[in-house]
Amino acid sequence: DQQVKQNSPSLSVQEGRISILNCDYTNSMFDYFLWYKKYPAEGPTFLISISSIKDKNEDGRFTVFLNKSAKHLSLHIVPSQPGDSAVYFCASGKDSSYKLIFGSGTRLLVRP
Amino acid sequence: GAGVSQSPRYKVAKRGQDVALRCDPISGHVSLFWYQQALGQGPEFLTYFQNEAQLDKSGLPSDRFFAERPEGSVSTLKIQRTQQEDSAVYLCASSPWQLQGNTEAFFGQGTRLTVV
Repeated sequence: DQQVKQNSPSLSVQEGRISILNCDYTNSMFDYFLWYKKYPAEGPTFLISISSIKDKNEDGRFTVFLNKSAKHLSLHIVPSQPGDSAVYFCASGKDSSYKLIFGSGTRLLVRP
Repeated sequence: GAGVSQSPRYKVAKRGQDVALRCDPISGHVSLFWYQQALGQGPEFLTYFQNEAQLDKSGLPSDRFFAERPEGSVSTLKIQRTQQEDSAVYLCASSPWQLQGNTEAFFGQGTRLTVV
């Protein structure tokens, strides 16, 4: 039973355009959500997070949107750059817990 | 470097062999996690340490898997009698915080284990 789903295994975007990566979750108890970015042969690195008390969090070119009623979150990258090409994982958890549940990842390719 | 360091980077084991994977967390980090990442999947939680105490080992797939962190810093994940289904990348992560899911953990580059 996948509690966190990233239904798009890959996404290709032109440089300068917007990249939108999606993530769905099933557990309504989750109240904290994170996005990690992973380059080949490296460990995941934290990108941005959002608490369930918010519906939007922005950090530079990266914005995460949370729709609690739909149990859906998305990561927007504007403008996309070739260096953004990586695998992006969403992860969810409870604020009171250390345990994160990861999605299966979306591979983003930003074409020059 | 100041990041989480894992060794070896790659390990090939014959089925039935025992392996030990090492993690050097960021100095002073209280929390340490082990994750298993199968090909094409996201990381899956294996176990959690707070200092030297293993507070959660609910994700360990079988009793062939054992983790320790005897002095609250370096951790070792040991897999006995490896099986082909153990082939995966094993990720270690550390965090300066205790039991707080709302803070990000810092991941190592992982150990890719291939059981042949």
